[in-house]
Amino acid sequence: SQTIHQWPATLVQPVGSPLSLECTVEGTSNPNLYWYRQAAGRGLQLLFYSVGIGQISSEVPQNLSASRPQDRQFILSSKKLLLSDSGFYLCAWSAGQGRYNEQFFGPGTRLTVL
Amino acid sequence: KNQVEQSPQSLIILEGKNCTLQCNYTVSPFSNLRWYKQDTGRGPVSLTIMTFSENTKSNGRYTATLDADTKQSSLHITASQLSDSASYICVVTSSGGGADGLTFGKGTHLIIQP
Repeated sequence: SQTIHQWPATLVQPVGSPLSLECTVEGTSNPNLYWYRQAAGRGLQLLFYSVGIGQISSEVPQNLSASRPQDRQFILSSKKLLLSDSGFYLCAWSAGQGRYNEQFFGPGTRLTVL
Repeated sequence: KNQVEQSPQSLIILEGKNCTLQCNYTVSPFSNLRWYKQDTGRGPVSLTIMTFSENTKSNGRYTATLDADTKQSSLHITASQLSDSASYICVVTSSGGGADGLTFGKGTHLIIQP
């Protein structure tokens, strides 16, 4: 069966510090991978998606970047965090050719920027 | 612009009672609609998925309906349990492209009281 992992589960970082969140998927090959942010009281906002190694699409301009160094690894980064980067970050994967299949979400990372 | 509106924003009911959550969308062209359940601090988990030709889909005590003509969907929960306390998110997929084809509602926050 497929599983998706995210770490860390929670993170408190000062403004201006770097960020690295990691997501890995097990039990599947060549998944589509996604990073979402969920701010308090708001819906899920798609940040990045990837259909293959080294292929990253950004949905919104922001202070963050994403990389996919391996088939089942997706990393969310920032060089300098802003207060507005606080939120709940979710990684997800889907299978198949398109980007319209069911997405399976990871447990999330709660980021607080102080 | 594709939009998904959910109502009510929050709902409190007593354990054992039934409830219905609403989802209205203006996504075109329509591909499918999913309801997700998101426990606090966790990633969303899919409950049901419906395509254009499906009017109803059940998953245990959860029953989703879809009216593609009026672009409305509902999620009915029967004999609610304390474990049903969560946010319920309606997600509509467009087959016509766009960012990732997915439009998320902001969710309904459901609280079941004993």
